[in-house]
Amino acid sequence: SQTIHQWPATLVQPVGSPLSLECTVEGTSNPNLYWYRQAAGRGLQLLFYSVGIGQISSEVPQNLSASRPQDRQFILSSKKLLLSDSGFYLCAWSFSYGYTFGSGTRLTVV
Amino acid sequence: AQSVTQPDIHITVSEGASLELRCNYSYGATPYLFWYVQSPGQGLQLLLKYFSGDTLVQGIKGFEAEFKRSQSSFNLRKPSVHWSDAAEYFCAVGGGGADGLTFGKGTHLIIQP
Repeated sequence: SQTIHQWPATLVQPVGSPLSLECTVEGTSNPNLYWYRQAAGRGLQLLFYSVGIGQISSEVPQNLSASRPQDRQFILSSKKLLLSDSGFYLCAWSFSYGYTFGSGTRLTVV
Repeated sequence: AQSVTQPDIHITVSEGASLELRCNYSYGATPYLFWYVQSPGQGLQLLLKYFSGDTLVQGIKGFEAEFKRSQSSFNLRKPSVHWSDAAEYFCAVGGGGADGLTFGKGTHLIIQP
């Protein structure tokens, strides 16, 4: 069966520090992968999506970047975190027009 | 551009009462529609989805939703809520392509005894 793993579950980072969040998918190949952010009291905003290795599309300009070094690995990064980067980050993959989400990472920038 | 509106930010329902959460969408083609539920600090769990066919869709946990093309709506219903249904509910629309889903801002459901 297909599963999606996302870590860490929670993270507290100082302003200006780097960030790396990782997402991996098992049980499927060549999935479409996504990063969403949920800010406090708001809905989910699509940040990046990827249809294959090295193929990244960004939905909004921001302080973040994404990479897909392997077929089932999707990484969200930042060189210098801002306070506004705080939020709940969710990785997702899609199959046959269905979407499955990871358990999320709660990022607090202090 | 596609969009989703959930007009109710908060809804309070008594345990055992019926529930309807509203969702209106804007999409240029045939939409794929979803309802997700999120418990505090957790990821999203799919309740149900609509792609085509019967406009009344049955989901998990006793939920159902009805697609009404003429009203651009996809409202979520449950005949009798349980205290465990208290959560955040998100409606989403997508076209089935690689560009993901567009979510509404969510409805926070409160269950009172």
